[in-house]
Amino acid sequence: AQSVTQPDIHITVSEGASLELRCNYSYGATPYLFWYVQSPGQGLQLLLKYFSGDTLVQGIKGFEAEFKRSQSSFNLRKPSVHWSDAAEYFCAVGARSNDYKLSFGAGTTVTVRA
Amino acid sequence: KAGVTQTPRYLIKTRGQQVTLSCSPISGHRSVSWYQQTPGQGLQFLFEYFSETQRNKGNFPGRFSGRQFSNSRSEMNVSTLELGDSALYLCASSLSGGVGNEQFFGPGTRLTVL
Repeated sequence: AQSVTQPDIHITVSEGASLELRCNYSYGATPYLFWYVQSPGQGLQLLLKYFSGDTLVQGIKGFEAEFKRSQSSFNLRKPSVHWSDAAEYFCAVGARSNDYKLSFGAGTTVTVRA
Repeated sequence: KAGVTQTPRYLIKTRGQQVTLSCSPISGHRSVSWYQQTPGQGLQFLFEYFSETQRNKGNFPGRFSGRQFSNSRSEMNVSTLELGDSALYLCASSLSGGVGNEQFFGPGTRLTVL
């Protein structure tokens, strides 16, 4: 079964600074990978996804993520954060063999300070 | 296009009662998935329905059940509520299910069990 680890529970970053959120997955083959964002009181919004091909994927809101097979990682980055990026971020993996459910990491809460 | 809607948004129940939550997917979407989100366990997959059939189920007790109607609307039911069932229940819809199709999440139903 697939699993996801987000090592950082909480990250504080200054507005305008860069942001990197870590995600490691466990799966026997190349999985489907996703990053979602959840603002307080809201559902999840898809930021980006990786299925195959180019290992650097671009998403919405200026986010990008890089798939590194050798490290089983799919880290999310943003060059310059805005106060509106304060939210909880979830990495998720879907198995190609059982593709009706997503397994989520525990989430990373991002606080943006002025 | 209207997004995924979930009703009610908030519920308060007492132990032993049962509850029914409703999810209306985006028009044209035939797959509906349910997830439970708690601070301790994070986001966990409950089940997924497609064309009124349950295709996949997570590791939850039989007290958790669901169904899907011919118009793709879905309900989930929790019987004999326990304190640990307090959670945010998220519904997601996609065109035909499978992680290859983007899942769009609703705002969730916040269930509190007293």
